[in-house]
Amino acid sequence: AQTVTQSQPEMSVQEAETVTLSCTYDTSESDYYLFWYKQPPSRQMILVIRQEAYKQQNATENRFSVNFQKAAKSFSLKISDSQLGDAAMYFCAFQTGANNLFFGTGTRLTVIP
Amino acid sequence: NAGVTQTPKFQVLKTGQSMTLQCAQDMNHEYMSWYRQDPGMGLRLIHYSVGAGITDQGEVPNGYNVSRSTTEDFPLRLLSAAPSQTSVYFCASSVTGVSYNSPLHFGNGTRLTVT
Repeated sequence: AQTVTQSQPEMSVQEAETVTLSCTYDTSESDYYLFWYKQPPSRQMILVIRQEAYKQQNATENRFSVNFQKAAKSFSLKISDSQLGDAAMYFCAFQTGANNLFFGTGTRLTVIP
Repeated sequence: NAGVTQTPKFQVLKTGQSMTLQCAQDMNHEYMSWYRQDPGMGLRLIHYSVGAGITDQGEVPNGYNVSRSTTEDFPLRLLSAAPSQTSVYFCASSVTGVSYNSPLHFGNGTRLTVT
């Protein structure tokens, strides 16, 4: 069974500071993809960043980067220079095969001005 | 550029009523899916479709029906609503399946309350 665990239900960060959201997953597959989605109060799910498991280089998208540790099955999200607009629920998601994403339970991020 | 459009945004049903949640996409995506989001449980796959005329079950299909008569539309039907189906429902699509090069695009969700 594929599982995704986000152990931090809530996190907070000062504006302009850096925060790291953790995610671990469990799978016996060797080929898979990992995603972070953001859900602001508008409810829409927005893709933040993605990672292919066979690539060792960590993905980066502007202020967002990941720390992908395949052996540890860990996929954390780092947000640098946090902005008020980063406040949202963040979901880690794992995919193997073509037909389903397995989501974690989410981390609610608060940005303090 | 509408993307994935879900209607309605909100709905209240009484137990036993039926209804259809609508989902349409204008990106010519082959893959479409329905998820439900419940507090503390993340999103779970209900049904999905890899193309017109093809549907299959996800993790939590009981109580829901789907059909895919066109590439654009993928409605979700609740035949006899139950309080356990109170949730936020998301429709999502991608070019072909879910992969690094074909990530999911989500609609804005439908909040359904069954009393």
